[in-house]
Amino acid sequence: DVKVTQSSRYLVKRTGEKVFLECVQDMDHENMFWYRQDPGLGLRLIYFSYDVKMKEKGDIPEGYSVSREKKERFSLILESASTNQTSMYLCASSEAGAPRGNQPQHFGDGTRLSIL
Amino acid sequence: KNQVEQSPQSLIILEGKNCTLQCNYTVSPFSNLRWYKQDTGRGPVSLTIMTFSENTKSNGRYTATLDADTKQSSLHITASQLSDSASYICVVSANTNAGKSTFGDGTTLTVKP
Repeated sequence: DVKVTQSSRYLVKRTGEKVFLECVQDMDHENMFWYRQDPGLGLRLIYFSYDVKMKEKGDIPEGYSVSREKKERFSLILESASTNQTSMYLCASSEAGAPRGNQPQHFGDGTRLSIL
Repeated sequence: KNQVEQSPQSLIILEGKNCTLQCNYTVSPFSNLRWYKQDTGRGPVSLTIMTFSENTKSNGRYTATLDADTKQSSLHITASQLSDSASYICVVSANTNAGKSTFGDGTTLTVKP
């Protein structure tokens, strides 16, 4: 079974801090994604990556950046955390395929981030 | 604009009963439609995936249908169990190179004993 592991289940940070959320997958998947999930808004795509050192903006990239130095690891960075970034953050991975979005995504259990 | 709308927003049923969740979409060009189950405090887990040519797919007590002409899908749960209590999310992907996915807001199902 695919395992997507997010480094923290719960995290509390202060406004202005630089925050790192880590995600590791163990199935050699090419594609990795970061989402945030808020009540009434569903899952919204922040950034995604189809290869090592490659990244593309999703629907809501403002205030975030990402890093993918190794295939199995995809990091989400909040450059200067703000209270409106309090949310559930979900990482996902999927196999390569064409079109790219055709493959089912495997999700981690999420990081509930609170910015005070 | 690509959209996915799910109904109802929430649903309460008694254990053993059947229920049907709806998903309407405007994503174009269509590639595939997936249903996910998300338990409280966990990440979503894929239940079914359907392409344009498939109109029914089952996974145990879960049966998804797809009408690509009317751009509607349903997820039918048979003989519900307490463990079916979860949020069910409909996701539609576009048939473009980027293959972008559009997520519905989910239906929260509560199964009571």
